[in-house]
Amino acid sequence: GAGVSQSPSNKVTEKGKDVELRCDPISGHTALYWYRQRLGQGLEFLIYFQGNSAPDKSGLPSDRFSAERTGESVSTLTIQRTQQEDSAVYLCASSLLPGGDTQYFGPGTRLTVL
Amino acid sequence: DQQVKQNSPSLSVQEGRISILNCDYTNSMFDYFLWYKKYPAEGPTFLISISSIKDKNEDGRFTVFLNKSAKHLSLHIVPSQPGDSAVYFCAALPSSSNTGKLIFGQGTTLQVKP
Repeated sequence: GAGVSQSPSNKVTEKGKDVELRCDPISGHTALYWYRQRLGQGLEFLIYFQGNSAPDKSGLPSDRFSAERTGESVSTLTIQRTQQEDSAVYLCASSLLPGGDTQYFGPGTRLTVL
Repeated sequence: DQQVKQNSPSLSVQEGRISILNCDYTNSMFDYFLWYKKYPAEGPTFLISISSIKDKNEDGRFTVFLNKSAKHLSLHIVPSQPGDSAVYFCAALPSSSNTGKLIFGQGTTLQVKP
């Protein structure tokens, strides 16, 4: 079946502009995660969605970052007033169940803020 | 504060030999440890995991060893193949997490030379 897909694959934007990144999880997966990987660093947790429960936003670095998910489907990550330090690969993952279930990652969106 | 550390950014081995990738952690409250493999322009893919109550888990050419007293784990690949060339991330799942939020190391780039 189809894996996790993300769009766009690459995004170049100017400092101060807003960007929206999209994630389509694997159908039927209840849990969805957003991570960020900055150059030379590991993956950094941003936010977690599980069904209709309140999301775990503990990893969002600032109030310029927000994310939404409709039910158990598509999620969008929005970054407002982008800064150069937001440049990174943004990775989405989904898992069938929450907790320690295997997470399946999408290919990521490479964001470059000029 | 980096709770999961991969101190070697890169490793080069000859085809057929053993690859040993290392990972150290600082928090004793991790339930599971996982290894992910990442090719360029793709998302990480799950490779192998180990529960904190075990000290070894083996899957084909891949074996993960956990030394809780040293807060150290390692991934052994034997024999190494050129297709194993990728970035390997160590990740840990906190026992306090009911969300599956993973904490990743910085990654080690493995090159297997033919």
